[in-house]
Amino acid sequence: NAGVTQTPKFRVLKTGQSMTLLCAQDMNHEYMYWYRQDPGMGLRLIHYSVGEGTTAKGEVPDGYNVSRLKKQNFLLGLESAAPSQTSVYFCASRLRDQNYGYTFGSGTRLTVV
Amino acid sequence: GDSVTQMEGPVTLSEEAFLTINCTYTATGYPSLFWYVQYPGEGLQLLLKATKADDKGSNKGFEATYRKETTSFHLEKGSVQVSDSAVYFCALSDYAPSGNTPLVFGKGTRLSVIA
Repeated sequence: NAGVTQTPKFRVLKTGQSMTLLCAQDMNHEYMYWYRQDPGMGLRLIHYSVGEGTTAKGEVPDGYNVSRLKKQNFLLGLESAAPSQTSVYFCASRLRDQNYGYTFGSGTRLTVV
Repeated sequence: GDSVTQMEGPVTLSEEAFLTINCTYTATGYPSLFWYVQYPGEGLQLLLKATKADDKGSNKGFEATYRKETTSFHLEKGSVQVSDSAVYFCALSDYAPSGNTPLVFGKGTRLSVIA
C-alpha cells in the first residue's frame, strides 16, 4: 500500500518554464489537496478537490492550475514559473470522514531560478 | 476567516523534560482540532485529534484537550525523547453545510530534544 505518491521529488525550473506535479493515491480517497510549505509560513492551501472532476481554489491559488480527471490522481500545474513559487509542495488526501486524518505525500521540492 | 496561532519556535529541551506547545484558534463554526507532526524529509502525519469541546486527544504519550472557553488546543507530553524531535503543526477544520472545510494550519513549532 503506497499511500500518497508525489513525483518528482526535486525539480529546478527556470523562470517562465512550465511543469506539472503529479499526486497519486491508492486508498480510494474522495478528497485531495495541494499545499505549499514555506519557512515561517506553515502550510497554505493552493487548490483542492472533493471528488473526481471537481476542483476548488484555496488560499493561494494564483499561478497554479489543477485537474482531477481520475479519482486517484490530482495534478498541479505551473504554467509560467516564478521565483516566488520556490517552495516545498505537499499533496494530501482523505476519506469522506475527516476524523481519520489526512494522508500526506513526502513532498516535492521546487526551485525556480 | 479561520486561523490557528501556535507558539514560535524553536523549542529545545533535554530528554525527559516536560513539553508544552501552545495553540489557539479562531473559527466561525464548530471546528475539529488536530496536531500533525513532520519528521525531517517527510510529509505530515496525524498525531492526535479532538472533534468537540472538552475532548482529549492522545497518542504516543502526547495529549491535547479541546478548550472551547479559551479557544485553545495545547499539546503536552510528560517526558520527551530524542525521537520526538520534529516540527509540530496545530490545525483546524471547520464545519460548513457543504462539508468540512480544508485543514488550516499554524506556522509550526520546531522541537529539538537533546540527550
